[in-house]
Amino acid sequence: IAGITQAPTSQILAAGRRMTLRCTQDMRHNAMYWYRQDLGLGLRLIHYSNTAGTTGKGEVPDGYSVSRANTDDFPLTLASAVPSQTSVYFCASSEGPHQPQHFGDGTRLSIL
Amino acid sequence: KNQVEQSPQSLIILEGKNCTLQCNYTVSPFSNLRWYKQDTGRGPVSLTIMTFSENTKSNGRYTATLDADTKQSSLHITASQLSDSASYICVVSAEYGGATNKLIFGTGTLLAVQP
Repeated sequence: IAGITQAPTSQILAAGRRMTLRCTQDMRHNAMYWYRQDLGLGLRLIHYSNTAGTTGKGEVPDGYSVSRANTDDFPLTLASAVPSQTSVYFCASSEGPHQPQHFGDGTRLSIL
Repeated sequence: KNQVEQSPQSLIILEGKNCTLQCNYTVSPFSNLRWYKQDTGRGPVSLTIMTFSENTKSNGRYTATLDADTKQSSLHITASQLSDSASYICVVSAEYGGATNKLIFGTGTLLAVQP
């Protein structure tokens, strides 16, 4: 089934550790995004990529990095996790920036 | 400040009944407005997307309206089903030209449909 695959589905991580959240899409979409969703807040954009080889900062990029080496993959890395990064992380893709976004089912991350 | 506000925060209705969810926004420059459905533990799924010139769009039992003058949108659900229980998120896109736009997400309305 075409769509977005995120891994892991959940993770508990000690503060200070490095963590990479994986995201793969098989729809050949140009644009990909990473969001975090916290209780009582709307989804907030962390980083985005309009096309392979390019990335940009979103609303809350601090503490996170991304890469877009190819069309399908868009990993999100926490270099040194902090408790405030406890959240549900969603990866999304779209054909272009003005098209509907397709979301994965999220990674639930707890930083202790 | 670009904002999207949704009401009510939560809603409980009986199966088979209709309901209407509201979205007010202060986003400029406006590009489009989207409604998403998010089931518990899942990612959001797109229901509708409307541009400035569209004032209504349907997707099955879901009908979205847009009044760009008053900056209001509504999502009407007809003949609700248990599977409609979810969070409904209003998202407004601000257009900054070219390939650059910004999505502003509402916090969602949590709908519970009871038998």
